[in-house]
Amino acid sequence: GQQVMQIPQYQHVQEGEDFTTYCNSSTTLSNIQWYKQRPGGHPVFLIQLVKSGEVKKQKRLTFQFGEAKKNSSLHITATQTTDVGTYFCARDGSGGSNYKLTFGKGTLLTVNP
Amino acid sequence: DGGITQSPKYLFRKEGQNVTLSCEQNLNHDAMYWYRQDPGQGLRLIYYSQIVNDFQKGDIAEGYSVSREKKESFPLTVTSAQKNPTAFYLCASSRGLGIDEQFFGPGTRLTVL
Repeated sequence: GQQVMQIPQYQHVQEGEDFTTYCNSSTTLSNIQWYKQRPGGHPVFLIQLVKSGEVKKQKRLTFQFGEAKKNSSLHITATQTTDVGTYFCARDGSGGSNYKLTFGKGTLLTVNP
Repeated sequence: DGGITQSPKYLFRKEGQNVTLSCEQNLNHDAMYWYRQDPGQGLRLIYYSQIVNDFQKGDIAEGYSVSREKKESFPLTVTSAQKNPTAFYLCASSRGLGIDEQFFGPGTRLTVL
């Protein structure tokens, strides 16, 4: 199947530092979704990006979709301990199926207070 | 209160036994999904269903079976043929109309002894 690569796999920051995770695909994406999973919890939808070059903000979170629609990023400004968790990107399905998502392996963010 | 429920939260079984994990949603969603999550891994799709009485294999369907007799319910059976069944199992649903955000249940952590 078609995959997405997420980097880094782990990131540890001091509270107040910024954080960025990247999601890369070798093929063009029709859209990309981002999810957050708190430790011991379940993934929760954050956002969906559809347009080339799109930038969306949610408070301290900034999501970008690359111009070529092959990569995306999530940037958190001034991290807080509540940001701890694993951030996943998910790409649209392959093979003509519009219902499948393929998830990246995620970036685990830990924040030192 | 709308959402997805999975039960039980923790499940222990002896090797060689089949076990069925339940998933119920009252969101009136057409599409439902089962994922498996292993430590440090992303979510891997086991089975998905776009509509009642229809389902398709995901990326790791071997050793699993599902049914979709009702719109609200999508139970997953982990059979004795699954070689490494110990994992965290997540059920999700979406409206099913194109690429849509997925809503996840709280998950069932299955341990096979």
